[in-house]
Amino acid sequence: AQSVTQPDIHITVSEGASLELRCNYSYGATPYLFWYVQSPGQGLQLLLKYFSGDTLVQGIKGFEAEFKRSQSSFNLRKPSVHWSDAAEYFCAVGARGDYKLSFGAGTTVTVRA
Amino acid sequence: NAGVTQTPKFQVLKTGQSMTLQCAQDMNHEYMSWYRQDPGMGLRLIHYSVGAGITDQGEVPNGYNVSRSTTEDFPLRLLSAAPSQTSVYFCASSRQQGTYTDTQYFGPGTRLTVL
Repeated sequence: AQSVTQPDIHITVSEGASLELRCNYSYGATPYLFWYVQSPGQGLQLLLKYFSGDTLVQGIKGFEAEFKRSQSSFNLRKPSVHWSDAAEYFCAVGARGDYKLSFGAGTTVTVRA
Repeated sequence: NAGVTQTPKFQVLKTGQSMTLQCAQDMNHEYMSWYRQDPGMGLRLIHYSVGAGITDQGEVPNGYNVSRSTTEDFPLRLLSAAPSQTSVYFCASSRQQGTYTDTQYFGPGTRLTVL
């Protein structure tokens, strides 16, 4: 079965600074990888996903993520954060032959002025 | 399209009471699922369905029942509520791509408190 680890529970970043959120997965074959964002009191919204092909994936709101098979990682990045990026971010993994997604515990991002 | 809708948004129950959380989607998605979200634990899958008449258990199914009589609806039933079921519940749906699911679309959530 697949699993996801998000090592950072909470990250604080200054507005305008860069952001990187870590995600490590465990799965034997090629995984399907997702990043979701949850604003306070809201449901989850998809930021980006990786199924195959180019390992650098562009998403909405200026986010990108890079799939690194050798490191079993799918880290999320944004060059310059905005106050509206304060939210909780979840990495998720799926697999061919399995309809279920496994989610990480989430990383809360605080943006300071 | 309304997407994925959930009712109610908030609910308070007493221990031992039963209730049904409603979930509906208008995107003709085959796959639907229920998650619970607890602090520090992310989202955990309760039950899921790959089509009308087909349901299966997820990671934390105890104390919950589901059914899928139509493609659109996927209600979650709490048989006898316990304080441990205090949580935020999310319903999600997606298309199926062969043997895996595509992007999951989430409802706004139901915040449940069991006293």
